[in-house]
Amino acid sequence: QKEVEQNSGPLSVPEGAIASLNCTYSDRGSQSFFWYRQYSGKSPELIMSIYSNGDKEDGRFTAQLNKASQYVSLLIRDSQPSDSATYLCAVNRGNQAGTALIFGKGTTLSVSS
Amino acid sequence: NAGVTQTPKFQVLKTGQSMTLQCAQDMNHNSMYWYRQDPGMGLRLIYYSASEGTTDKGEVPNGYNVSRLNKREFSLRLESAAPSQTSVYFCASSEAPFGGTDTQYFGPGTRLTVL
Repeated sequence: QKEVEQNSGPLSVPEGAIASLNCTYSDRGSQSFFWYRQYSGKSPELIMSIYSNGDKEDGRFTAQLNKASQYVSLLIRDSQPSDSATYLCAVNRGNQAGTALIFGKGTTLSVSS
Repeated sequence: NAGVTQTPKFQVLKTGQSMTLQCAQDMNHNSMYWYRQDPGMGLRLIYYSASEGTTDKGEVPNGYNVSRLNKREFSLRLESAAPSQTSVYFCASSEAPFGGTDTQYFGPGTRLTVL
């Protein structure tokens, strides 16, 4: 089983809709979970971090974490064309003293106007 | 506050040539990382340094060497470049593991082509 899995997409939604991005992970010891956005030709930029079960909201973005089911999701409300990008899920290695993150391969989101 | 900077932005090498990719951060972070990103493969960790003076192998270390020159700088060296090393290379840094968060912040990347 791959360590961090995401559907590659593309996920296509109309402008104004809710986009739902999902991620599953295999290391039960993981404690830190991140969503990064990456525009084509650019570097990843952090959108959200989440450490506890439940929901965390920041503007139009909501991250959801369920450690028992080993999944983390990102909801984007009122999607805009500028949200069109690849979204990377990242999880830390729970049993390492260092802080190396494991990244999923990303989900490509396309928001049409 | 420039964050994480990388040089060069673009580089073309011939097979067998060597080069060093430079990375520096001005956020007083403890940990620094080198990733490569290839189409369909996602971000893969090459090497990381959890603190000044230490380095550890990541998922794909073969063909690379690193140096943590000081707390700010972490370089990646290709001794004998191969076409399989054509990729986009990202440097990142984080506060952890000595307190702070393990959120990683990325540099702008270096696009390397090996002919």
